[in-house]
Amino acid sequence: QKEVEQDPGPLSVPEGAIVSLNCTYSNSAFQYFMWYRQYSRKGPELLMYTYSSGNKEDGRFTAQVDKSSKYISLFIRDSQPSDSATYLCAFGGTSYGKLTFGQGTILTVHP
Amino acid sequence: NAGVTQTPKFRILKIGQSMTLQCTQDMNHNYMYWYRQDPGMGLKLIYYSVGAGITDKGEVPNGYNVSRSTTEDFPLRLELAAPSQTSVYFCASRKGVDSYEQYFGPGTRLTVT
Repeated sequence: QKEVEQDPGPLSVPEGAIVSLNCTYSNSAFQYFMWYRQYSRKGPELLMYTYSSGNKEDGRFTAQVDKSSKYISLFIRDSQPSDSATYLCAFGGTSYGKLTFGQGTILTVHP
Repeated sequence: NAGVTQTPKFRILKIGQSMTLQCTQDMNHNYMYWYRQDPGMGLKLIYYSVGAGITDKGEVPNGYNVSRSTTEDFPLRLELAAPSQTSVYFCASRKGVDSYEQYFGPGTRLTVT
C-alpha cells in the first residue's frame, strides 16, 4: 500500500466551479497536513497547512482533515483561471521535517 | 530577499558525465532538502541536511552526493549520470523545528542522454 495516494486527474472545470482535491494516507505518524500549489515550470509553494482534524478556511480555500479515515481534502470555491496549477498534498511530522508528497493533481480552470 | 536560488535552470548531460547542482538560501534556515520530481510522481526526497556539516539520505539517494559546509549552500553532486536521473530537481529550506513550511527554489531541469 502506498503511503500517500492522490488522484492525479487531470481535472478541468469551468470558472466559478467548486473544486475538490483529495488524498488518502496510511502512515499514522503524520502529524501535519499541507497543500502545495505548483504553477507550470515553478517550484511548489505552500497554500495551506493544518495539524488537526476538521476544517481550516483561508479565503476561497478550505482544507479538511479526517484523521480517523486518514483522508484530507482541499476545496476551492469560485475557482478562477489563475487557480490552474498542480496541487500537491504533503504530510509531515516524522523526523527532521521531512515531507511525503502525493503525486499531484493537475487542475485547469477555463474561462 | 532572494529566498532559495538554484543554478543552472537547465542542463543536458551525456551518460557518464558529472555535474553539481547549486542551491543557496539567504533566509538563515537550518534545514535544507533536495527533491526530484518526475512526471506524475510527486516529489521524492534525495538528501537532506539539518545544519552545516550534517547530511543524511532520503528516499532515493543512489547516484547522488551532497555536502553542507555553510548554512547557505547545499550543492547536489551527480556522479556518472544515467538516463534514470533525467528529472526536475528542487531544493528547499525550512527554518527549524518550530516551522513546518518548506520554501522551494525554482528548480533545475536535467536531461541525461
